[in-house]
Amino acid sequence: EAGVTQSPTHLIKTRGQQVTLRCSPISGHTSVYWYQQALGLGLQFLLWYDEGEERNRGNFPPRFSGRQFPNYSSELNVNALELEDSALYLCASSLGGGYTDTQYFGPGTRLTVL
Amino acid sequence: AQSVTQLDSQVPVFEEAPVELRCNYSSSVSVYLFWYVQYPNQGLQLLLKYLSGSTLVKGINGFEAEFNKSQTSFHLRKPSVHISDTAEYFCAVSDPTSGTYKYIFGTGTRLKVLA
Repeated sequence: EAGVTQSPTHLIKTRGQQVTLRCSPISGHTSVYWYQQALGLGLQFLLWYDEGEERNRGNFPPRFSGRQFPNYSSELNVNALELEDSALYLCASSLGGGYTDTQYFGPGTRLTVL
Repeated sequence: AQSVTQLDSQVPVFEEAPVELRCNYSSSVSVYLFWYVQYPNQGLQLLLKYLSGSTLVKGINGFEAEFNKSQTSFHLRKPSVHISDTAEYFCAVSDPTSGTYKYIFGTGTRLKVLA
């Protein structure tokens, strides 16, 4: 069974540009989560999508947004990139949005903002 | 709000020695607790989780963790480590009383196993 996949693996952008990251969940999983892993800060929760709806978002500015498609894949958009947006962006999926559900992570997209 | 503390940012240990990675969470309400491992250039993989029942939880790769409600801790242990255990380890909590489903992660502990 295929795991969570993310694309691209690496990305280099300059300040002010916009970027779109993509995530395909495990087959049968309806929930998708996005995390930002910046150096020394651990994983910060960004967004949670379930059944096509945004269910929760973390403490990030509105220039971080995303959506979930009918096939449950998801994309994360970041507008007006800033240097501090440089990080590993991780996507995870779970069967549903239950508190006990295990989240399965993809390998991440490394974003570098110059 | 719930928070997770992993006091040790780095833990060096010799091969075949035991190791304990510490995790404390802030609230004594009923929570669900998870340990994940991240190998270099990879995503996170679940090691084990505590949902209810026995406070000693066994996971993959010989790891185990003990849930201690009075000390709000969930320390991860392995009796004998291998070079291949070198990775970053993250503790996470899911708080059903928060009203919003999300994991709160600690900042991670980098385990370095020395030959």
